[in-house]
Amino acid sequence: DAGVIQSPRHEVTEMGQEVTLRCKPISGHNSLFWYRQTMMRGLELLIYFNNNVPIDDSGMPEDRFSAKMPNASFSTLKIQPSEPRDSAVYFCASSLSQGAFGTQYFGPGTRLLVL
Amino acid sequence: AQSVTQPDIHITVSEGASLELRCNYSYGATPYLFWYVQSPGQGLQLLLKYFSGDTLVQGIKGFEAEFKRSQSSFNLRKPSVHWSDAAEYFCAVGYSGNTPLVFGKGTRLSVIA
Repeated sequence: DAGVIQSPRHEVTEMGQEVTLRCKPISGHNSLFWYRQTMMRGLELLIYFNNNVPIDDSGMPEDRFSAKMPNASFSTLKIQPSEPRDSAVYFCASSLSQGAFGTQYFGPGTRLLVL
Repeated sequence: AQSVTQPDIHITVSEGASLELRCNYSYGATPYLFWYVQSPGQGLQLLLKYFSGDTLVQGIKGFEAEFKRSQSSFNLRKPSVHWSDAAEYFCAVGYSGNTPLVFGKGTRLSVIA
């Protein structure tokens, strides 16, 4: 199994630009999670999906952030417009369960730098 | 509200020494407990998990953890640390099949010669 795939691995952009992060979950997993990791705030859950439906997006910091999951094998996290404070590592994880019963498998992350 | 506390932000141990990383959780219900490890530049990887049964659970890479309900703790241990164990370690707790895991802030482990 290829594991969770994220692209790009690194992204450098200028403030105000649109950023799109991509995630391919493990085949057969029905839950997908987007996290943000920074030194100051640690690992934060932004949003999660179950069966392609967004369940809880209360962790999304602002309206500039949006996430979609058009099918079971693909999800995007978009930031528009981006700001320097969005610089972080963004992780996608997938699982057989949205809750505690399933192990979350993390992708390698996308390191985002907004100048 | 559910919460996980990892009291130690950073721990340094000598190679070959024993290790214990602390984790405390809130909430009264029976928790599902996890330890994840994050090596530099990588995503999180599951080390071990506790759902029920024996309170001492074994994981990968020689790690083990013990669930102590009376202390609301799930501390991670390793008898002899290797330099490759240098990483960040996250404790996580869940309570049901419907709500996602709650992660602690992490403990960074440094290993010195």
